[in-house]
Amino acid sequence: GENVEQHPSTLSVQEGDSAVIKCTYSDSASNYFPWYKQELGKGPQLIIDIRSNVGEKKDQRIAVTLNKTAKHFSLHITETQPEDSAVYFCAATLNAGKSTFGDGTTLTVKP
Amino acid sequence: EAGVAQSPRYKIIEKRQSVAFWCNPISGHATLYWYQQILGQGPKLLIQFQNNGVVDDSQLPKDRFSAERLKGVDSTLKIQPAKLEDSAVYLCASSPSGGVGETQYFGPGTRLLVL
Repeated sequence: GENVEQHPSTLSVQEGDSAVIKCTYSDSASNYFPWYKQELGKGPQLIIDIRSNVGEKKDQRIAVTLNKTAKHFSLHITETQPEDSAVYFCAATLNAGKSTFGDGTTLTVKP
Repeated sequence: EAGVAQSPRYKIIEKRQSVAFWCNPISGHATLYWYQQILGQGPKLLIQFQNNGVVDDSQLPKDRFSAERLKGVDSTLKIQPAKLEDSAVYLCASSPSGGVGETQYFGPGTRLLVL
């Protein structure tokens, strides 16, 4: 089955700096890659996603890149703010919506 | 619109006891997912329903876990008997039709502690 690895497991940055989280996947049939933000005591919430026919997608301070050949994708957050502090998960999705999640990155933004 | 509702939010039981979790998805969503999230890990899919039929339950430990979605709306997930390693957050999510690229909307989860 699909295997997703996510790095780093923890990331600490100063407010205003950029943060980058990387994921690799194993199944070349995966064709949809969402990123979720999970705050304490809440369920994951979708923040951005990318399909396999697109190389990059941007939404304000958040961007995601996908390299299908290398089977890796990354989340970029620019101008980080304290409210960006949370756990971030990547996922790789096959047909019929079955998602395999990475183990998460705990991002801490220091004021 | 109202989000995915789950209850209870917290549950503490002893091993070998049984427990049940309830989920009410977003109105009109045909697809419902149950995930298990162990501390420090990402959510792992246990079972996926399309209306009241099972699409995928390949990772559901069927000797102790069961789930149903009667009438294609609410769903319950049951563990009987519970083991220590079942301590986790159980997340319910829903999406309009389960197609690739659809947003999955997650509930707040039920935190289970097995002593």
